[in-house]
Amino acid sequence: DSGVTQTPKHLITATGQRVTLRCSPRSGDLSVYWYQQSLDQGLQFLIQYYNGEERAKGNILERFSAQQFPDLHSELNLSSLELGDSALYFCASSVTGGGEKLFFGSGTQLSVL
Amino acid sequence: DAKTTQPPSMDCAEGRAANLPCNHSTISGNEYVYWYRQIHSQGPQYIIHGLKNNETNEMASLIITEDRKSSTLILPHATLRDTAVYYCIVRVPLLGTASKLTFGTGTRLQVTL
Repeated sequence: DSGVTQTPKHLITATGQRVTLRCSPRSGDLSVYWYQQSLDQGLQFLIQYYNGEERAKGNILERFSAQQFPDLHSELNLSSLELGDSALYFCASSVTGGGEKLFFGSGTQLSVL
Repeated sequence: DAKTTQPPSMDCAEGRAANLPCNHSTISGNEYVYWYRQIHSQGPQYIIHGLKNNETNEMASLIITEDRKSSTLILPHATLRDTAVYYCIVRVPLLGTASKLTFGTGTRLQVTL
């Protein structure tokens, strides 16, 4: 158990819909990272937050947004969903945000039908 | 971050040592070598990291060549539960708060009876 909690574990929705994925970091970790993993793309970095502020951005689509709240939990919002958005979405956390040891959650499996 | 090259797949007999190589010929002096693994559809798991000295922990050993252009992750007594994709990542552990930790395609290690 990494200490990072992601909910829900599974999510099935339809094209055009909007969903919210939630992540609770390990106690004491200030930074949260979001990754997308699809079969043909591997693990893709989406975005990083540190203590409530966005710090680094990867290949995150404009239809996707995220935020980190004062209690340090984070939410990833995916809108206007397409079939290609079906993937595993992982959240990770770390004590600071400099790329040291990351602890990953067990992921949210999103299926867009 | 420096580019890394890993073999796409390797096999190892259970109980034997698994030696996973990684080439990082463009590594710079302040970049660390990190290893993570991902067991089927689970979140990636941190294994070990090092700068230039060899490192050992309860999971594995990391051997970095003197010129730091390559490294080897050693699982001393591989078990079936070590079957996973192993990622070698080279980066600077920034003291700041921004990081784009990027995963490549990794090595798929298959441990067999």
